[in-house]
Amino acid sequence: NAGVTQTPKFQVLKTGQSMTLQCAQDMNHNSMYWYRQDPGMGLRLIYYSASEGTTDKGEVPNGYNVSRLNKREFSLRLESAAPSQTSVYFCASRAGTGHVELFFGEGSRLTVL
Amino acid sequence: GQSLEQPSEVTAVEGAIVQINCTYQTSGFYGLSWYQQHDGGAPTFLSYNALDGLEETGRFSSFLSRSDSYGYLLLQELQMKDSASYFCAVRDRTGTASKLTFGTGTRLQVTL
Repeated sequence: NAGVTQTPKFQVLKTGQSMTLQCAQDMNHNSMYWYRQDPGMGLRLIYYSASEGTTDKGEVPNGYNVSRLNKREFSLRLESAAPSQTSVYFCASRAGTGHVELFFGEGSRLTVL
Repeated sequence: GQSLEQPSEVTAVEGAIVQINCTYQTSGFYGLSWYQQHDGGAPTFLSYNALDGLEETGRFSSFLSRSDSYGYLLLQELQMKDSASYFCAVRDRTGTASKLTFGTGTRLQVTL
């Protein structure tokens, strides 16, 4: 019973490099979310997807792109990483209308040098 | 936009009761959630209030007053394992799906 799986768990990048964070859920959930967490800042929403084929910007979308590849997978791409993107990234999913609980992955710790 | 305020830190003794407050400002409010996060771990869901009043789940209770834009999480019979960060989050709807906006979290330290 995997739930929400994120890869990689740790990554170190140099400024300007690109990378994609992968997220997959096996709960047949409709909605998926990407958050970043920084010390003292709580969880801030980057992008979210109500269902396959739709995505919306959250609070802090600049510097990121997302793809809802299918119902299971929601990836987050950094095209040109910056030190300000050093953070812990969490993917989450929610069943859909009428369901309130978010299920989180274990996080991806990204350092940009 | 949305904003939430909660205390940054709270300390309490094992076996005691602690209340963590949350005030919010948002449009299109659906409800208030609470999440727990241990150091190095993922947030996990604790409770949700859509209507005014108290919701009880074991040792944890959550309260909401929509007219005051205020809620709290009450933890009773504190245990050492309750040491964690607690986040309130408002559920609202813009765009194509409802989404959660989180507060900055309250770090609870339970001492002997």
